Amino acid sequence: DVQMIQSPSSLSASLGDIVTMTCQASQGTSINLNWFQQKPGKAPKLLIYGASNLEDGVPSRFSGSRYGTDFTLTISSLEDEDMATYFCLQHSYLPYTFGGGTKLEIK
Amino acid sequence: QVQMKQSGPGLVQPSQSLSITCTVSGFSLTSYGVHWVRQSPGKGLEWLGVIWSGGSTDYNAAFISRLSISKDNSKSQVFFKMNSLQADDTAIYYCVYDTFAYWGQGTLVTVSA
Repeated sequence: DVQMIQSPSSLSASLGDIVTMTCQASQGTSINLNWFQQKPGKAPKLLIYGASNLEDGVPSRFSGSRYGTDFTLTISSLEDEDMATYFCLQHSYLPYTFGGGTKLEIK
Repeated sequence: QVQMKQSGPGLVQPSQSLSITCTVSGFSLTSYGVHWVRQSPGKGLEWLGVIWSGGSTDYNAAFISRLSISKDNSKSQVFFKMNSLQADDTAIYYCVYDTFAYWGQGTLVTVSA
């Protein structure tokens, strides 16, 4: 199985900060990757698909990038409503696999 | 707009089976697939399987011996069945639209006597 190694597992940042988190795929040359945001008691919400494409309705402060098997989610200016847990998902190789999550807290 | 509504029991006895129905609207099951994903504190998010628009299925090998996904296109319903549940199958189960853009509300399943 392709392991998605997500880091950090948690981070704390201040309003207005630039925030980055990463997912590294253990293998695979053509990973199709999504990023999700999840708030307590809610289902995950799709933010980014195809590594760098912004889902409709998602604020433009969210962006995704790829370098080889390393994927990055960036929040350009942290807002209070961004407090959540973020997950990546690779859906190229069966079984599809999720990262372990990054819990983002506001200082 | 796309909606996915789940119905199923919240409590399952050990060794018994779990059945959840996902009723979709806003799209046709003949054109898009539906995934099943579960989430637990201990194991995080796990992809369980998918039924594709043509009716074929793919399953996570870890569950293939006890998992079945089927559908009724005319009723816009997808059926999830997992057998031989144990305590570590306690989780929230979700049905998810083809591209992962839409999720059901989740079914909290507790496996307990």
